[in-house]
Order: sequence, then structure tokens, then C-alpha cells
Amino acid sequence: GENVEQHPSTLSVQEGDSAVIKCTYSDSASNYFPWYKQELGKRPQLIIDIRSNVGEKKDQRIAVTLNKTAKHFSLHITETQPEDSAVYFCAATNNAGNMLTFGGGTRLMVKP
Amino acid sequence: EAGVVQSPRYKIIEKKQPVAFWCNPISGHNTLYWYRQNLGQGPELLIRYENEEAVDDSQLPKDRFSAERLKGVDSTLKIQPAELGDSAVYLCASSGRGSFNSGANVLTFGAGSRLTVL
Repeated sequence: GENVEQHPSTLSVQEGDSAVIKCTYSDSASNYFPWYKQELGKRPQLIIDIRSNVGEKKDQRIAVTLNKTAKHFSLHITETQPEDSAVYFCAATNNAGNMLTFGGGTRLMVKP
Repeated sequence: EAGVVQSPRYKIIEKKQPVAFWCNPISGHNTLYWYRQNLGQGPELLIRYENEEAVDDSQLPKDRFSAERLKGVDSTLKIQPAELGDSAVYLCASSGRGSFNSGANVLTFGAGSRLTVL
């Protein structure tokens, strides 16, 4: 089955700096790569996703890049703010595209 | 739209007791998932339903866990008897028809049910 590795497990940045979280996956047939943000005690919420027909997608201060050859994708957050502090999870689909496997999560702390 | 609704939000029980969680997915979503999230980890799939059929339950510990989705809408997840290691957040999620790989189908989570087994 699919295996998703996520790094780093914790990330601390100063407000205004950029943050980058990286994930690798094992199934070369994976075609969909979402990122979820989970604030303390709340549900994981989809913040951005990318499908493999594109290499990069942006939405305001967040962007995701995908390298299918190397089987890795990354989340980039620019101009970080304290409200960006949360746990971020990446995920990848299986071959059939009907299941998501999640990474272990990255705890991002943005210091004011 | 109400989103994915779960209850109870919190449950504290003693080991060997039974517990049940309920989930109502987004209206029209035919695929329903139960995930378990241990502290500091990512969600892990327990079971996936397509309508009323459990199509992937390979990660469900069947000796003590059971699930049902009788009418293809809401679902219950039961643990009997609960063990200390079952303490976790049980997340329900749903998605629409079709693959994630194409189109606009996305996975939406409920708020979760936090189980503490003493």
C-alpha cells in the first residue's frame, strides 16, 4: 500500500518568515496530494491540494509543489503569522484514487 | 450545509466497557470513512464504506471493533470491550462520488470523538 513520510515533525519559525514542509510517497500511481491543517482540538481542514497534471499551485500565502519523478511534494507558507500555528498533514491517494494515506504530521509554531 | 456531524465529542469509559460513536456525513456523499488518530500522529483508516457496503476494512481490529452503515447514510462505530490502547480521536469523514484523482472530489472530516479509556 501507499506509504507517506513527512518532515520535519516540528518546525518553529519567526513571524514573517517562510515555512516549508516536505512529504514523500511510495505509490507512483498516486495522483492527488492534499494538505490539511489541524488546530488544537479541531478537525483537520483542507487548505490546498494538487493533482498531478500540475507542478505547482498557489493560494495567497500558501503553495504546494509536486515532483512526480522524485515522488515528493512540499507545502510552502510565506509571511507566516501566529494563526498559522497548527499541525499540518500531507496525504496521497492509492492507485484507484479512492483512499488517502496521511503523513505523520508537522507541528508548526510561529513565534510572534 | 452542516458538514460531517459526529457524536459524542468526548467519551470517558473504563476498560472493558463498550462504546459507540455516530457519524452523519455530508448530504449526498456516498463514501464514508472512519479514521483513528492517536496523539501526535496522522489519521489512520479503519474502514471505508461505499454506500452501505464496507469496501475496505482491512485495518479494523475485528475482534473488538465493528461498524455499520445500514441505510447508506449515517454510520456507527462500536468498540466492545474497550482497551487502554483504544484511547484516541475517532474521526469520521466523507467524500462524494468518484476518484480523488480527477475532478473536484475532496475528503471532509468531522470534528471527531475523543475517547479516553481508564
